[in-house]
Amino acid sequence: QLQLQESGPGLVKPSETLSLACTVSGGSISSSSYYWGWIRQPPGKGLEWIGSIYYSGSTYYNPSLKSRVTISGDTPKNQFSLKLSSVTAADTAVYYCARDGTAAGQGFDYWGQGTLVTVSS
Amino acid sequence: SYELTQPPSVSVSPGQTASITCSGDKLEDKYVCWYQQKPGQSPVLVIYQDTKRPSGIPERFSGSNSGNTATLTISGTQAMDEADYYCQAWDSSTVVFGGGTKLTVL
Repeated sequence: QLQLQESGPGLVKPSETLSLACTVSGGSISSSSYYWGWIRQPPGKGLEWIGSIYYSGSTYYNPSLKSRVTISGDTPKNQFSLKLSSVTAADTAVYYCARDGTAAGQGFDYWGQGTLVTVSS
Repeated sequence: SYELTQPPSVSVSPGQTASITCSGDKLEDKYVCWYQQKPGQSPVLVIYQDTKRPSGIPERFSGSNSGNTATLTISGTQAMDEADYYCQAWDSSTVVFGGGTKLTVL
């Protein structure tokens, strides 16, 4: 059974960089059949896609966040990571990692449990 | 940028049919997925490729997509179906979520 687990600091100061990792077990991020993505959800609000990475290293970002986002993969650790720079209180959210199929319309079929990141001094 | 619009809330009586819409320009030209999210839980994929149900999703969940509107239909709605529902599509290599609909079963 595929499992995804987010990890990283729960508190980040304004203007600093938010860094999270997603560890995948029961499957490989090197599979050509999937993208691996980050989605966030501010408290009480809806889902917002941040970006995704393909096994080749190709990345796709939300245009509204693109200037601040970097997603990278670590194949030996079977992890992929998110860095979001220059954070503000508006970046406070539950951050999820999830798997997305490469076939059109497959959707995010496996999600991590999510991790709350609060931006505050 | 592409936008998906959902009604903020929908109410349904137990046993009745609930319909949640998702609107976007020429949406029928794109595949739509639907997610269910209960409080404090991660989203769960309930419909993919407009009409398909992942393994383990009850048959009462169905989807359609025509024109500018995709619809999630829950037949014989149960109390356990009370949740937030999100539609999602792809546009120009980006993922777009709708704003979400709170389904109340009362």
